[in-house]
Amino acid sequence: DTEVTQTPKHLVMGMTNKKSLKCEQHMGHRAMYWYKQKAKKPPELMFVYSYEKLSINESVPSRFSPECPNSSLLNLHLHALQPEDSALYLCASSQDRRAKNIQYFGAGTRLSVL
Amino acid sequence: QKEVEQNSGPLSVPEGAIASLNCTYSDRGSQSFFWYRQYSGKSPELIMSIYSNGDKEDGRFTAQLNKASQYVSLLIRDSQPSDSATYLCAAIDGGTSYGKLTFGQGTILTVHP
Repeated sequence: DTEVTQTPKHLVMGMTNKKSLKCEQHMGHRAMYWYKQKAKKPPELMFVYSYEKLSINESVPSRFSPECPNSSLLNLHLHALQPEDSALYLCASSQDRRAKNIQYFGAGTRLSVL
Repeated sequence: QKEVEQNSGPLSVPEGAIASLNCTYSDRGSQSFFWYRQYSGKSPELIMSIYSNGDKEDGRFTAQLNKASQYVSLLIRDSQPSDSATYLCAAIDGGTSYGKLTFGQGTILTVHP
């Protein structure tokens, strides 16, 4: 089973709202990732968590706040977003951060910021 | 800046033909290479991974890696309309950015009956 579950599937929020995206995996993976994908573009890495610690932040604005409460769960807290933040947000996990490990993607959350 | 580049598309092939997708990468330190398939509105799905020079076959798919030329390719034999999707080439380097997948821009493949 290589399932990564993301909720919600769709989210519409205003620029003053606070919302959270959730990602869960039960494969025993110790590395989890957030990617952002705009239409007709490839995914772009936002954050990497390794053994529940933030190890890579790709200079993401502070209105995106990641959290890894335990080894199976990854959240992305959203606050004061801009319309240009509308995108597909993808969560992925891999066994760990070593280069040979395959990253498995969830179905994504399609976010619209009004 | 580390880059992954894919041959410009879109690529259109008839059903039953071989589709050839190509990718080059700029970072000689890259260790691992992946091909993902992404249907419109869906998330990327792993098709192939390759780590050593040479060919790797899985069903109708063959990945080829040439580290000296910094070149990765994907061949799809007996193409089917269900293969119509965007194919993303991705690389991971072995340096300080462990775990960071760098994607190419993607090649849109259409297989017509």
